[in-house]
Amino acid sequence: RKEVEQDPGPFNVPEGATVAFNCTYSNSASQSFFWYRQDCRKEPKLLMSVYSSGNEDGRFTAQLNRASQYISLLIRDSKLSDSATYLCVVNVGNEKLTFGTGTRLTIIP
Amino acid sequence: SAVISQKPSRDICQRGTSLTIQCQVDSQVTMMFWYRQQPGQSLTLIATANQGSEATYESGFVIDKFPISRPNLTFSTLTVSNMSPEDSSIYLCSVDPDGSYNEQFFGPGTRLTVL
Repeated sequence: RKEVEQDPGPFNVPEGATVAFNCTYSNSASQSFFWYRQDCRKEPKLLMSVYSSGNEDGRFTAQLNRASQYISLLIRDSKLSDSATYLCVVNVGNEKLTFGTGTRLTIIP
Repeated sequence: SAVISQKPSRDICQRGTSLTIQCQVDSQVTMMFWYRQQPGQSLTLIATANQGSEATYESGFVIDKFPISRPNLTFSTLTVSNMSPEDSSIYLCSVDPDGSYNEQFFGPGTRLTVL
């Protein structure tokens, strides 16, 4: 089983819609969780950290379910500029980040 | 935050040759990493570049194939040695400026094609 698993997509979503994707992780000792965004032919950049209590940043909401070992990302009122690959990232506390393969999202006008 | 540059941005190389990739950071950082991202795949950590000591390699990566230098706190190089087409990939360096093992900042990457 992969350490971090994501549905690769692609998700093709009309502009203005709400989209959500999940990510599962295998190591129950994982301590920190993140969503990174990677635009085509660009480097990954941190989108948001994921806290146990869940957190929201504008149109983006991230949640963590430790019991089921998954994290989610919800994007409301999607914009064309949200088109990107979203990487689920986990830190198991060993000074390294483990990246999922990413979920590709395309927002359609 | 940190601003990172990499050279070259891309290269096309013949099999059997070697390429050295440079990574420069605009501030002193303790934690510096090298990743590989193969087409359609996620980022895989190659090694942690330690200043003043040998790099720490991940399983499946060895120093003879991927020698790394870290002469100071703002600079590192990764060499891809004796290249084969399987080494075609994007190579990225990243830094963890505050050593919190949380947010990492990435360089723009080096796109390598081996013929």
